[in-house]
Formats: sequence, C-alpha cells, structure tokens
Amino acid sequence: QVQLQESGPALVKPSETLSLTCTVSGYSVSSGFYWGWIRQSPGKGLEWIASINHSGSTSYNPPLKSRVVISVDSSKNQFSLKLRSVTAADTAIYYCARDSSPFDSWGQGTLVTVSS
Amino acid sequence: QSALTQPSSLSGSPGQSITISCTGTNNDVGDYDFVSWYQQHPGKAPKLVIFDVTKRPSGVSSRFSGSKSGNTASLTISGLQPEDEADYHCSSYTGSSTWVFGGGTRLTVL
Repeated sequence: QVQLQESGPALVKPSETLSLTCTVSGYSVSSGFYWGWIRQSPGKGLEWIASINHSGSTSYNPPLKSRVVISVDSSKNQFSLKLRSVTAADTAIYYCARDSSPFDSWGQGTLVTVSS
Repeated sequence: QSALTQPSSLSGSPGQSITISCTGTNNDVGDYDFVSWYQQHPGKAPKLVIFDVTKRPSGVSSRFSGSKSGNTASLTISGLQPEDEADYHCSSYTGSSTWVFGGGTRLTVL
C-alpha cells in the first residue's frame, strides 16, 4: 500500500521560497503515475498546485506557474515542491498525493505558515 | 481556470439521501468524464470516494454514487450515517494534465 509523507519547514518568511519534500513508500515513483501537490488554505477548499510524472513531465496550475517548480528524485523515491516569493496568501496545509487521475493516495499534510 | 462551484453547506438527517452539486464549464466538467469526489473529516487528509464520475474505489460504501449532466456533476449519499458528516470536495480534469477543485461542501448530519 502506497504511503506518502510531507516534510519541510513549518514557517517561511514573506518573499522567501517554500520548499517541501514528499517521501513515498510502498511504490516506486519511477514505476508510473503522476505525483502532485495540493494545498488548502485555512477554512477553504483544495487547490491543485502541480504534478510530475516518473519521467519528469510537469504540469502546473496556471495562476501559480510562474512561482512553482516541481521535481522528482527517483533515487530517493521522493518528489519536491518549491514555491518562491511567498506571501501570507500562501499559508496553507500542503498535501502531496499520487496523481493516478484521480488523486488516490494522500499524505497527512503539513501546515506551512508565511510570517515574519 | 476558476474553481468549480459547490454549495458551501448542506444538512440531512440519518437515513435520508442528499445530493451535492458541482458546477463547472464546458472546459472541465462538461468536457471530460474525469470528475472525482473526496471526503475530508476535520484534521484529516482527503479520501477519494468517487472517480471517473461514477466509479467507487474498493472499500468505499455503495451508499456513495456519482453522476453528471452537462457541466454539473453530483455526489449522492444515500442512507445518511453520522460518520458521513464531513467536507466534500469535487475535482475535474481540465486538459493537459491539469486539475481544478471545487470550494468544498460541509455536510452536517443532524
């Protein structure tokens, strides 16, 4: 059974870069599927951020595309998210998930707060 | 790419049936049969309950069903149970490996 776990700083300063990593167990990211990041601002709905497949093909949510980079490290069975120039509006719970069209397995989520 | 439209809240009594709507456009819900629904209990990660408009993942109760007509998809929960009280989010494929979610619906079981 595939399991995903997010890791990264819980607090990021405005204008800096948010960096998160998702470690996958029970399935090899190089075996197939896309792998994605979704976030949820406090009290709000879900927002898809980006997805990447095992060969490195990427897709991004257009409003965030200019600030986001998603990458995969098959040797560590991980994929990562970088979101630059963050503001308070980027404060959210960030989830990583397996994007098998749909998102069928999710991490528990990690709260990232943007504040000085 | 605007968020899909869901009612912010709904309520029902145990044993009743409820339907949650999810309205998009002919660029997402209306153009693809890749609508999915997620159940989210407080403080928990979302859980997939319906995919490809009507399909249920293994282990999900048959009380959950999905449908679509035009630009609107729907999730129906029959025989409401207390444990169904949660937030429900719809999602649709929008082409080129991109996705859009709805704003979420809070379901209260009275």
